Amino acid sequence: GQQLNQSPQSMFIQEGEDVSMNCTSSSIFNTWLWYKQEPGEGPVLLIALYKAGELTSNGRLTAQFGITRKDSFLNISASIPSDVGIYFCAGWEGGGADGLTFGKGTHLIIQP
Amino acid sequence: AAGVIQSPRHLIKEKRETATLKCYPIPRHDTVYWYQQGPGQDPQFLISFYEKMQSDKGSIPDRFSAQQFSDYHSELNMSSLELGDSALYFCASSPDNGGSSYGYTFGSGTRLTVV
Repeated sequence: GQQLNQSPQSMFIQEGEDVSMNCTSSSIFNTWLWYKQEPGEGPVLLIALYKAGELTSNGRLTAQFGITRKDSFLNISASIPSDVGIYFCAGWEGGGADGLTFGKGTHLIIQP
Repeated sequence: AAGVIQSPRHLIKEKRETATLKCYPIPRHDTVYWYQQGPGQDPQFLISFYEKMQSDKGSIPDRFSAQQFSDYHSELNMSSLELGDSALYFCASSPDNGGSSYGYTFGSGTRLTVV
């Protein structure tokens, strides 16, 4: 099946710093989704991208759907302690394939 | 706003026992998806249902089965449980099947521990 390469695996940053993470794939996706997951909880949708080249913001979060449809990035500006968690990218193939393919996640740790 | 409801939140079973997990989708969502997330892993797609019919199948073991009922809730049945089945099981729902991934929302999950 398809695989997503998500990097970095983990980030240790200071409060107030900007964060950037990305996902790449060898195959095309029709939708890119970014989720945040906290321990013992389900993934919570942050940003959904439906069109190649699309740049979308949600508060301090900005994400882009790559032109080639094989990559996406997520930026978080001015990080705060509640940004701590695991961030997953997920791709949706479409065409009758329902399941999302997830990246391995980026574990964000913020040092005060 | 109503979310995806899963029950139970936690479940402990012994090896070779059976387990049933339930999922209640967001109202007017007709598509349900099941995922398994092992410790430190990303969620893996198991199976999905649209309008009570199986829609897509991922890496679901033969020991597992699922169905969607007339009220759109879904149940994941797991038999002959193995230690390796210990994981978080998530249900997600969306208002559209095959058309887009719009509104793809996850529940809080059921943590299954097999001892």
